[in-house]
Amino acid sequence: DAKTTQPPSMDCAEGRAANLPCNHSTISGNEYVYWYRQIHSQGPQYIIHGLKNNETNEMASLIITEDRKSSTLILPHATLRDTAVYYCIVRVAPGRNAGNMLTFGGGTRLMVKP
Amino acid sequence: ETGVTQSPTHLIKTRGQQVTLRCSSQSGHNTVSWYQQALGQGPQFIFQYYREEENGRGNFPPRFSGLQFPNYSSELNVNALELDDSALYLCASSLGGQGKFQETQYFGPGTRLLVL
Repeated sequence: DAKTTQPPSMDCAEGRAANLPCNHSTISGNEYVYWYRQIHSQGPQYIIHGLKNNETNEMASLIITEDRKSSTLILPHATLRDTAVYYCIVRVAPGRNAGNMLTFGGGTRLMVKP
Repeated sequence: ETGVTQSPTHLIKTRGQQVTLRCSSQSGHNTVSWYQQALGQGPQFIFQYYREEENGRGNFPPRFSGLQFPNYSSELNVNALELDDSALYLCASSLGGQGKFQETQYFGPGTRLLVL
């Protein structure tokens, strides 16, 4: 399984964009990049996912580099409620065993400050 | 909210006891995955159920077992509880199938288990 590397923590000022990086240099061609976040030991919340094109939804934007070895999650206008641990996950390739599990790393603890 | 519910929210057991945790999947989802999250760590995959059969398992001993029912709800059973089993237990539901790429997994709020 491709592994991901994220900074352990980041700070962001309220109202500013939060840019969370993730390295996944061993990603395979058919593996997706998923982002989840977890607020104060609640269940992880799905944010966004992508394969190779940039993606945007109501929560965030996902920028994937052309070589797919890294990506950035962008929260365009961070609020205090965005304070959470953000997990970047590379999804197990389709058809493999282990039931399409999600492999969580340590994530990035984002602190949004007033 | 995701529509995935779990019960109970909190539970205290003693070492050696058995516990059953329950999960109701989101409407339309046929697959349930279970994860264990120890304090300060990311969730770890326990196993997944698709159409009432186990569809993959992580590195957990056989005393962790599960069931999925015809309505796609699921149970996680842990026998002979150990102190290290204290954790947040999460279930996630999705739409998919064995050997096929699945849709996004959506998580419930979790059950916090404390083993004394």
